[in-house]
Amino acid sequence: KAGVTQTPRYLIKTRGQQVTLSCSPISGHRSVSWYQQTPGQGLQFLFEYFSETQRNKGNFPGRFSGRQFSNSRSEMNVSTLELGDSALYLCASSLDLQGKTQYFGPGTRLLVL
Amino acid sequence: AQSVTQLGSHVSVSEGALVLLRCNYSSSVPPYLFWYVQYPNQGLQLLLKYTSAATLVKGINGFEAEFKKSETSFHLTKPSAHMSDAAEYFCAVSDPWAAGNKLTFGGGTRVLVKP
Repeated sequence: KAGVTQTPRYLIKTRGQQVTLSCSPISGHRSVSWYQQTPGQGLQFLFEYFSETQRNKGNFPGRFSGRQFSNSRSEMNVSTLELGDSALYLCASSLDLQGKTQYFGPGTRLLVL
Repeated sequence: AQSVTQLGSHVSVSEGALVLLRCNYSSSVPPYLFWYVQYPNQGLQLLLKYTSAATLVKGINGFEAEFKKSETSFHLTKPSAHMSDAAEYFCAVSDPWAAGNKLTFGGGTRVLVKP
């Protein structure tokens, strides 16, 4: 069974731009979560989607948003990029909202110049 | 709120020596606990998980961890380090009673294996 896939793997943007990252969960998994990883703040939870609805949200500004499609694929969007948004963005999938075990993709490394 | 503390941001071990990575948690309810490993330029790979069954949990690559409620700890061990164990390791906690799969991570421990 294929793992979690994320596209693109690398991205360079400039301040003020917006970016969209994509995640395809493991086949059959219906929950998708997003995390931001930075050297200073570590791994931080952004949000979780299940059945096309946001179920949990971390402590990030409204510039960070996401959505989930009927096939469970998810996208996250960051608008008005700031230098501090440079990070590795990790997507994780779970079977459902009770499974608790999350399987991570390889991440998208975003560099904001 | 839950939190995780990993003691030691860097650990250096000799090849063949014991690997011990420390993780302590804070939670109002008995949590689910996880260890993940991250190799350079990769995502997180699940090593093992504790979900209220046996307190000694065996994972992949020869790793194991023991849940000790009295010490609020979930330390990760491997009897004999291999060069391929050089990576960063993350302990994480989730609330089994909460809806959703949110993980709260520790700061990570980077392991260096010396030949």
